[in-house]
Amino acid sequence: DADVTQTPRNRITKTGKRIMLECSQTKGHDRMYWYRQDPGLGLRLIYYSFDVKDINKGEISDGYSVSRQAQAKFSLSLESAIPNQTALYFCATSDPLAGGGHEQFFGPGTRLTVL
Amino acid sequence: SQQGEEDPQALSIQEGENATMNCSYKTSINNLQWYRQNSGRGLVHLILIRSNEREKHSGRLRVTLDTSKKSSSLLITASRAADTASYFCATIMDSNYQLIWGAGTKLIIKP
Repeated sequence: DADVTQTPRNRITKTGKRIMLECSQTKGHDRMYWYRQDPGLGLRLIYYSFDVKDINKGEISDGYSVSRQAQAKFSLSLESAIPNQTALYFCATSDPLAGGGHEQFFGPGTRLTVL
Repeated sequence: SQQGEEDPQALSIQEGENATMNCSYKTSINNLQWYRQNSGRGLVHLILIRSNEREKHSGRLRVTLDTSKKSSSLLITASRAADTASYFCATIMDSNYQLIWGAGTKLIIKP
């Protein structure tokens, strides 16, 4: 089984709809992240969470919200989706105590299309 | 804002040749990491080099870091078709522990 899973893998929705992307991990890591990837722009950080009670905005949090339901689960919501939120979304985890390098482990991604 | 910039944006070489990708960054760092992404999939960590290291090896990968020039290079020796992917550098600054990503180099290995 994959260590970091994301659901759904693909989603097509309409402008104005609320949508939730879910991430689960079995790595036991405290830190979790949500990124979006657009062609030619690399990854941009939306939100990150260092533990269940610690949630922080990233570079591009406007239009998004998150929920850390448990150590293993971190959900990303688009309250009212708009077309420029069409992108590939990745969840990632890290364990700062594992060698201190802050290597991140990624899920397979969710391809979201907003029409 | 992006910290790292990879160069070239795209690289196409014959199988068996060596591939070199470069990354430049703007601020002081704690470490620099390289990741690989196969088309449309999640990123996979390849190698990490700390700010006090100058060179690191892992299998066919060789990473160098020049903190005076704020740059790093990733060398893949004896390339294989399976190396076809996008390669990203990411840095962690001293002041926080978020990864800041470059835009990536798309590598194509021709059989």
